[in-house]
Amino acid sequence: SQTIHQWPATLVQPVGSPLSLECTVEGTSNPNLYWYRQAAGRGLQLLFYSVGIGQISSEVPQNLSASRPQDRQFILSSKKLLLSDSGFYLCAWRGIAEAFFGQGTRLTVV
Amino acid sequence: GQQLNQSPQSMFIQEGEDVSMNCTSSSIFNTWLWYKQDPGEGPVLLIALYKAGELTSNGRLTAQFGITRKDSFLNISASIPSDVGIYFCAGTGTGANSKLTFGKGITLSVRP
Repeated sequence: SQTIHQWPATLVQPVGSPLSLECTVEGTSNPNLYWYRQAAGRGLQLLFYSVGIGQISSEVPQNLSASRPQDRQFILSSKKLLLSDSGFYLCAWRGIAEAFFGQGTRLTVV
Repeated sequence: GQQLNQSPQSMFIQEGEDVSMNCTSSSIFNTWLWYKQDPGEGPVLLIALYKAGELTSNGRLTAQFGITRKDSFLNISASIPSDVGIYFCAGTGTGANSKLTFGKGITLSVRP
């Protein structure tokens, strides 16, 4: 069966520091992968999605970037974090229709 | 773009009560999904619906794909304290490679 791993679970970073969040999927090949951000326990904002290695689509302009160096690896990065980057970040992979989420990373920028 | 509407933002019920949540759209959807998110965790898929009129149960949960394909509901019967969380509806529209759209979620609180 497919599993999705996301780490770290929590992260506290100072303003201006870099960021790297990693997501890996097991048990499937060539998955569609997604990064979402959730603020204040509410809606899910789609940040990036990828349909294949090196293919990244950005949904909203922001201080973040994404990369897909391997088929089942999706990375969310920033060169310099802002206070507004704080939030709950979720990685997901999508089957035919359904999306399956990782456990999330709580990022606090201080 | 396509939007899914969920309201109210929060619901408060007594343990043992049934609760119903709606999700509506002005656009036609081909798939309806219901997720539950516990605090500090990722959303978990509860029920997936693929055909108009489809009614599917998962334990105390029942969800239906509306005949018009523009709405879906989720029922929780005999609520228990662990039902607390955020319930999201999601759907995919028509057309190839249709994106997955999420509602803003409903926060459910269950009073013991």
